[in-house]
Amino acid sequence: KQEVTQIPAALSVPEGENLVLNCSFTDSAIYNLQWFRQDPGKGLTSLLLIQSSQREQTSGRLNASLDKSSGRSTLYIAASQPGDSATYLCAVLQTMEYGNKLVFGAGTILRVKS
Amino acid sequence: DAGVIQSPRHEVTEMGQEVTLRCKPISGHNSLFWYRQTMMRGLELLIYFNNNVPIDDSGMPEDRFSAKMPNASFSTLKIQPSEPRDSAVYFCASSSVRQTLRRANVLTFGAGSRLTVL
Repeated sequence: KQEVTQIPAALSVPEGENLVLNCSFTDSAIYNLQWFRQDPGKGLTSLLLIQSSQREQTSGRLNASLDKSSGRSTLYIAASQPGDSATYLCAVLQTMEYGNKLVFGAGTILRVKS
Repeated sequence: DAGVIQSPRHEVTEMGQEVTLRCKPISGHNSLFWYRQTMMRGLELLIYFNNNVPIDDSGMPEDRFSAKMPNASFSTLKIQPSEPRDSAVYFCASSSVRQTLRRANVLTFGAGSRLTVL
């Protein structure tokens, strides 16, 4: 059974810091990995998707890396801003014969202080 | 496109009552997922459909939970009878899976239905 773990569970940093969120998964037979953002009381917004054949993806100040063989991914946020405060979730996609299954980690709660 | 639409956004009900949550996926998406989110357990996959057919319902906690997808544009998650421990935010998500190429697009989530069972 696939298990996804995110470390740290919570993080509080001053504005402007670069930071790294970690995600690990137990079964390396994944199709892709996604990082999501969730604001309080809201749904999930996809930030980055990395296919299993890729090593990293970048979008603006966000960079996500994937090491499939070791079962790890990191989300790097450069020059953090108060608007980055949210919960960040990592999820891995496993393909089944008739569909897909996305397994989520518990998330990292990020607070960026101004 | 209006995205994945869920209703109701909030529901407060008494223990024992029937609850029905609704979801309209993005037009053209052929996979639909129901998730439950709580502080204690995070996001849990309850059930997912592919081309309106339930594929994996192993995450459905009990027989009190049932889900249907009568057509490509509508799905329901029903809890009968509801219990206080069912209180959570229930998310619906959809994606497009092209089986021949085995490629999955980004999963798009609805805003969620917050359920409180008293």
